[in-house]
Amino acid sequence: DIVMTQSPDSLAVSLGERATINCRSSQSVLYSSNNKNHLAWYQQKPGQPPKLLIYWASIRELGVPDRFSGSGSGTDFTLTISGLQAEDVAVYYCQQYYSTPQTFGQGTKVEVK
Amino acid sequence: QVQVQESGPGLVKPSGTLSLTCSVSGASISSSSNYWVWIRQPPGKGLEWIGSIYYTGDTYYNPSLDSRITISVDTSRTQFSLRLSSVTAADTAVYFCAKSRDYVNVYDIWGQGTMVTVSS
Repeated sequence: DIVMTQSPDSLAVSLGERATINCRSSQSVLYSSNNKNHLAWYQQKPGQPPKLLIYWASIRELGVPDRFSGSGSGTDFTLTISGLQAEDVAVYYCQQYYSTPQTFGQGTKVEVK
Repeated sequence: QVQVQESGPGLVKPSGTLSLTCSVSGASISSSSNYWVWIRQPPGKGLEWIGSIYYTGDTYYNPSLDSRITISVDTSRTQFSLRLSSVTAADTAVYFCAKSRDYVNVYDIWGQGTMVTVSS
């Protein structure tokens, strides 16, 4: 199985400031046949299902605010929230869909400082 | 508007079988564009991919659960199901069903989740 490791486990950011979450995979999730990174990001608020934010490592899902951006390639990826809003308080998960079983990071809790 | 909704017993006895159904509306399980998946989340913990099914009936299971899982589509093709046998307390979780995005194996439509507790 590909192990996904996120850092930090939690972070507190002031409103309007930048939040950065890292995700590392135990092996590359860059698929050579399509030259795409099979890496997604989800946001989960308490009592709700996860919400897809980013896929192919950097493609924003329809309706997701542009303050959310994804970057990285191979084994190292970043989710950036540029200008944290109160409604962004949540747990964020990365997911690899390169191989079965698909696996998720342990989650990063984002709070307001 | 595509929606999925989980249903099933909230309490299962140890060594019993967990059976859940996901009802799909606004989309066809027969579409070649999508996978249909079960994912679970133990209380206070992270997400675990259980397995998925494609319109052909092909299934993909998490090897850690493989010997206990069956995912199937019903004949009406408006529901798909999860059966997990020989359950223990470790299977206590919120179980989500979800639909993959078209041609991408990420999940854009989720049910609200259903809590299943394994206890005598």
